[in-house]
Amino acid sequence: DAMVIQNPRYQVTQFGKPVTLSCSQTLNHNVMYWYQQKSSQAPKLLFHYYDKDFNNEADTPDNFQSRRPNTSFCFLDIRSPGLGDAAMYLCATSRGRVSNQPQHFGDGTRLSIL
Amino acid sequence: GQQVMQIPQYQHVQEGEDFTTYCNSSTTLSNIQWYKQRPGGHPVFLIQLVKSGEVKKQKRLTFQFGEAKKNSSLHITATQTTDVGTYFCVSYSSASKIIFGSGTRLSIRP
Repeated sequence: DAMVIQNPRYQVTQFGKPVTLSCSQTLNHNVMYWYQQKSSQAPKLLFHYYDKDFNNEADTPDNFQSRRPNTSFCFLDIRSPGLGDAAMYLCATSRGRVSNQPQHFGDGTRLSIL
Repeated sequence: GQQVMQIPQYQHVQEGEDFTTYCNSSTTLSNIQWYKQRPGGHPVFLIQLVKSGEVKKQKRLTFQFGEAKKNSSLHITATQTTDVGTYFCVSYSSASKIIFGSGTRLSIRP
Protein backbone atom coordinates (compact mmCIF):
# COMPACT_ATOMS: atom_id res chain seq x y z
CA ASP A 1 0.00 0.00 0.00
CA ALA A 2 1.13 3.53 -0.72
CA MET A 3 2.03 5.24 2.50
CA VAL A 4 4.18 7.56 4.55
CA ILE A 5 6.83 5.74 6.53
CA GLN A 6 8.79 7.16 9.42
CA ASN A 7 11.82 5.57 10.97
CA PRO A 8 12.51 4.87 13.69
CA ARG A 9 9.25 4.83 15.69
CA TYR A 10 11.18 5.64 18.85
CA GLN A 11 14.46 7.50 19.08
CA VAL A 12 16.49 8.22 22.17
CA THR A 13 19.37 10.65 22.05
CA GLN A 14 21.54 12.50 24.50
CA PHE A 15 21.28 16.15 25.29
CA GLY A 16 23.22 18.04 22.62
CA LYS A 17 23.88 15.00 20.42
CA PRO A 18 22.71 15.49 16.81
CA VAL A 19 19.89 13.27 15.68
CA THR A 20 18.26 12.64 12.31
CA LEU A 21 14.71 11.45 11.74
CA SER A 22 13.66 10.07 8.39
CA CYS A 23 10.50 9.97 6.35
CA SER A 24 9.76 8.27 3.07
CA GLN A 25 6.66 8.20 0.93
CA THR A 26 5.37 6.07 -1.91
CA LEU A 27 2.56 8.47 -2.80
CA ASN A 28 4.72 10.57 -5.13
CA HIS A 29 3.36 13.71 -3.48
CA ASN A 30 4.91 17.11 -4.15
CA VAL A 31 4.69 18.40 -0.62
CA MET A 32 6.33 16.98 2.49
CA TYR A 33 5.87 18.44 5.96
CA TRP A 34 7.50 18.08 9.34
CA TYR A 35 5.46 18.68 12.48
CA GLN A 36 6.34 18.63 16.15
CA GLN A 37 3.59 17.45 18.49
CA LYS A 38 3.87 17.61 22.25
CA SER A 39 1.52 15.86 24.62
CA SER A 40 -2.07 17.12 24.51
CA GLN A 41 -1.20 19.76 21.91
CA ALA A 42 -1.94 20.21 18.24
CA PRO A 43 0.80 19.44 15.73
CA LYS A 44 3.06 22.44 15.15
CA LEU A 45 4.38 22.86 11.63
CA LEU A 46 8.16 23.23 11.53
CA PHE A 47 8.67 23.47 7.76
CA HIS A 48 7.60 21.98 4.48
CA TYR A 49 8.97 21.31 1.03
CA TYR A 50 7.03 21.98 -2.12
CA ASP A 51 9.08 19.85 -4.50
CA LYS A 52 12.59 21.21 -3.79
CA ASP A 53 11.43 24.56 -2.45
CA PHE A 54 12.00 24.77 1.28
CA ASN A 55 9.51 26.75 3.39
CA ASN A 56 10.50 27.42 6.97
CA GLU A 57 8.00 28.57 9.58
CA ALA A 58 9.01 31.87 11.16
CA ASP A 59 9.14 30.46 14.68
CA THR A 60 11.03 27.24 13.91
CA PRO A 61 14.30 27.27 15.85
CA ASP A 62 17.56 27.25 13.88
CA ASN A 63 18.38 24.03 15.69
CA PHE A 64 15.97 22.27 13.31
CA GLN A 65 17.04 21.65 9.74
CA SER A 66 15.63 19.57 6.93
CA ARG A 67 16.79 17.91 3.75
CA ARG A 68 14.86 16.50 0.86
CA PRO A 69 17.28 14.70 -1.46
CA ASN A 70 14.54 13.40 -3.74
CA THR A 71 10.75 13.20 -4.03
CA SER A 72 10.47 10.17 -1.81
CA PHE A 73 12.64 11.07 1.17
CA CYS A 74 12.77 13.87 3.68
CA PHE A 75 14.93 14.18 6.79
CA LEU A 76 14.66 16.21 9.96
CA ASP A 77 17.97 17.07 11.57
CA ILE A 78 18.13 18.37 15.12
CA ARG A 79 21.61 19.73 15.57
CA SER A 80 21.79 20.04 19.34
CA PRO A 81 18.70 18.58 20.96
CA GLY A 82 17.55 20.10 24.21
CA LEU A 83 15.16 18.68 26.76
CA GLY A 84 12.40 20.83 25.29
CA ASP A 85 12.73 19.04 21.95
CA ALA A 86 11.36 15.80 23.35
CA ALA A 87 8.17 15.25 21.37
CA MET A 88 6.47 13.26 18.66
CA TYR A 89 7.68 14.27 15.21
CA LEU A 90 5.19 13.73 12.43
CA CYS A 91 5.91 13.68 8.73
CA ALA A 92 3.08 14.32 6.30
CA THR A 93 2.65 14.60 2.55
CA SER A 94 0.14 16.16 0.23
CA ARG A 95 -0.31 16.40 -3.49
CA GLY A 96 -0.23 19.74 -5.23
CA ARG A 97 -0.71 23.09 -3.53
CA VAL A 98 -0.55 23.28 0.25
CA SER A 99 -3.95 24.72 0.94
CA ASN A 100 -6.45 22.50 -0.79
CA GLN A 101 -5.14 18.97 -0.50
CA PRO A 102 -5.50 16.47 2.33
CA GLN A 103 -2.40 15.63 4.30
CA HIS A 104 -1.31 12.03 4.78
CA PHE A 105 0.59 11.48 8.00
CA GLY A 106 3.14 8.89 8.99
CA ASP A 107 3.00 7.12 12.33
CA GLY A 108 5.55 9.53 13.78
CA THR A 109 8.85 9.22 15.62
CA ARG A 110 8.77 9.75 19.35
CA LEU A 111 12.00 11.45 20.39
CA SER A 112 13.31 11.23 23.94
CA ILE A 113 16.25 13.25 25.24
CA LEU A 114 18.44 11.92 28.02
CA GLY B 1 -2.62 37.08 12.20
CA GLN B 2 -5.33 34.60 11.44
CA GLN B 3 -6.46 32.55 14.42
CA VAL B 4 -8.77 29.60 14.74
CA MET B 5 -10.39 28.78 18.05
CA GLN B 6 -11.62 25.25 18.62
CA ILE B 7 -14.02 24.37 21.42
CA PRO B 8 -14.50 22.56 23.66
CA GLN B 9 -11.04 21.41 24.64
CA TYR B 10 -12.39 18.19 26.16
CA GLN B 11 -15.70 16.36 25.93
CA HIS B 12 -16.58 13.29 27.96
CA VAL B 13 -19.84 11.65 26.92
CA GLN B 14 -21.84 8.53 27.60
CA GLU B 15 -21.76 6.08 24.72
CA GLY B 16 -24.74 6.79 22.53
CA GLU B 17 -24.81 10.52 23.25
CA ASP B 18 -24.08 13.07 20.58
CA PHE B 19 -20.89 15.13 20.33
CA THR B 20 -20.07 18.41 18.61
CA THR B 21 -16.85 20.35 18.20
CA TYR B 22 -16.65 23.87 16.77
CA CYS B 23 -14.00 25.90 15.02
CA ASN B 24 -14.25 29.67 14.75
CA SER B 25 -12.01 31.93 12.73
CA SER B 26 -11.40 35.64 12.97
CA THR B 27 -11.20 35.85 9.18
CA THR B 28 -12.87 34.24 6.20
CA LEU B 29 -11.49 30.83 5.35
CA SER B 30 -10.94 29.50 1.86
CA ASN B 31 -11.53 25.96 3.03
CA ILE B 32 -11.36 23.85 6.15
CA GLN B 33 -10.29 20.28 6.78
CA TRP B 34 -11.07 17.95 9.66
CA TYR B 35 -8.73 15.29 11.03
CA LYS B 36 -9.06 12.63 13.70
CA GLN B 37 -6.16 11.45 15.84
CA ARG B 38 -6.67 8.31 17.88
CA PRO B 39 -4.73 8.00 21.15
CA GLY B 40 -1.17 7.06 20.25
CA GLY B 41 -1.90 7.49 16.56
CA HIS B 42 -1.39 10.06 13.85
CA PRO B 43 -3.90 12.53 12.39
CA VAL B 44 -6.11 11.02 9.71
CA PHE B 45 -7.92 13.16 7.17
CA LEU B 46 -11.71 13.02 7.43
CA ILE B 47 -13.13 15.68 5.10
CA GLN B 48 -12.63 19.01 3.39
CA LEU B 49 -15.25 21.75 3.16
CA VAL B 50 -14.95 24.48 0.57
CA LYS B 51 -18.31 26.07 -0.17
CA SER B 52 -20.25 28.52 1.95
CA GLY B 53 -22.94 26.70 3.93
CA GLU B 54 -21.66 23.30 2.83
CA VAL B 55 -22.84 20.23 4.74
CA LYS B 56 -21.26 16.81 4.30
CA LYS B 57 -22.09 13.56 5.99
CA GLN B 58 -20.06 10.43 6.64
CA LYS B 59 -22.27 7.86 8.34
CA ARG B 60 -22.78 9.29 11.86
CA LEU B 61 -20.52 12.30 11.26
CA THR B 62 -21.92 15.60 9.94
CA PHE B 63 -19.60 18.42 8.91
CA GLN B 64 -20.77 21.99 8.35
CA PHE B 65 -19.12 25.10 6.97
CA GLY B 66 -20.71 28.38 7.97
CA GLU B 67 -22.39 30.73 5.53
CA ALA B 68 -19.71 33.34 6.14
CA LYS B 69 -16.95 30.69 5.94
CA LYS B 70 -15.68 31.72 9.35
CA ASN B 71 -16.80 28.72 11.34
CA SER B 72 -17.21 25.00 11.02
CA SER B 73 -18.53 22.16 13.10
CA LEU B 74 -18.26 18.40 13.36
CA HIS B 75 -21.20 16.57 14.88
CA ILE B 76 -21.20 12.89 15.78
CA THR B 77 -24.56 11.24 16.33
CA ALA B 78 -24.82 8.39 18.84
CA THR B 79 -21.15 8.13 19.73
CA GLN B 80 -19.41 4.77 19.85
CA THR B 81 -16.20 3.79 21.60
CA THR B 82 -14.45 3.82 18.22
CA ASP B 83 -15.03 7.58 18.05
CA VAL B 84 -12.55 8.18 20.87
CA GLY B 85 -9.74 10.52 19.88
CA THR B 86 -8.86 14.14 19.27
CA TYR B 87 -10.55 15.99 16.43
CA PHE B 88 -8.69 18.85 14.77
CA CYS B 89 -9.87 21.41 12.29
CA VAL B 90 -7.21 22.68 9.90
CA SER B 91 -7.50 25.86 7.93
CA TYR B 92 -5.26 27.82 5.63
CA SER B 93 -4.48 31.49 5.69
CA SER B 94 -4.54 33.68 2.61
CA ALA B 95 -0.80 33.06 2.42
CA SER B 96 -1.40 29.30 2.50
CA LYS B 97 -0.14 29.04 6.06
CA ILE B 98 -1.45 25.95 7.81
CA ILE B 99 -3.44 26.63 10.97
CA PHE B 100 -4.36 23.74 13.24
CA GLY B 101 -7.16 24.21 15.71
CA SER B 102 -6.25 23.30 19.27
CA GLY B 103 -8.26 20.10 19.05
CA THR B 104 -11.16 18.60 20.96
CA ARG B 105 -10.43 15.42 22.86
CA LEU B 106 -13.40 13.08 22.96
CA SER B 107 -13.62 10.38 25.59
CA ILE B 108 -16.54 8.00 25.99
CA ARG B 109 -18.06 6.14 28.95
CA PRO B 110 -19.15 2.67 27.80
